Amino acid sequence: AQSVTQPDIHITVSEGASLELRCNYSYGATPYLFWYVQSPGQGLQLLLKYFSGDTLVQGIKGFEAEFKRSQSSFNLRKPSVHWSDAAEYFCAVGDYKLSFGAGTTVTVRA
Amino acid sequence: GAVVSQHPSRVICKSGTSVKIECRSLDFQATTMFWYRQFPKQSLMLMATSNEGSKATYEQGVEKDKFLINHASLTLSTLTVTSAHPEDSSFYICSARITGELFFGEGSRLTVL
Repeated sequence: AQSVTQPDIHITVSEGASLELRCNYSYGATPYLFWYVQSPGQGLQLLLKYFSGDTLVQGIKGFEAEFKRSQSSFNLRKPSVHWSDAAEYFCAVGDYKLSFGAGTTVTVRA
Repeated sequence: GAVVSQHPSRVICKSGTSVKIECRSLDFQATTMFWYRQFPKQSLMLMATSNEGSKATYEQGVEKDKFLINHASLTLSTLTVTSAHPEDSSFYICSARITGELFFGEGSRLTVL
């Protein structure tokens, strides 16, 4: 069975500071991993995905994520956070039937 | 622009009535669509997989007679919440598999009074 754990429910970060969101997964084979962002009352937007190849994946809006098979992790990072990055972030695993983590709420303070 | 569109974005209905939510793939054909439900402050839970021209596949614990899914064309899947009750209030999101990619709709917030 596939599953995702996002250990951090809520993270507060200052604008301009770096951000890292944790994601651990369980998957029977080579995982397909995704990070999505959701603004309040909105649908999901894909930030980045990992299927194979280079374990450091670049996404939109300056985000990147690193796949570490040994740790079953796919953590999301951004070097310098902008106020517009305040949102809910979901890590997901699967092919097209995705299993989502519980989400991490990011608050950005001025 | 949006690849997948949902309508309505918000709907309020009385308990006991039925509500239909549409999920359309814009300018693309989607043989497979997925319906998710999201409770407040929680993650998305897959409800069912909708396949064009065949019956939907429901996840364990999802009532087929409560949540009717129809995928009548390659660009439209509908979710009908029948005899809605307040506990059905939720944010419903669809996604479509289009040319190998997965795209999500904007979501539909259902409030049952």
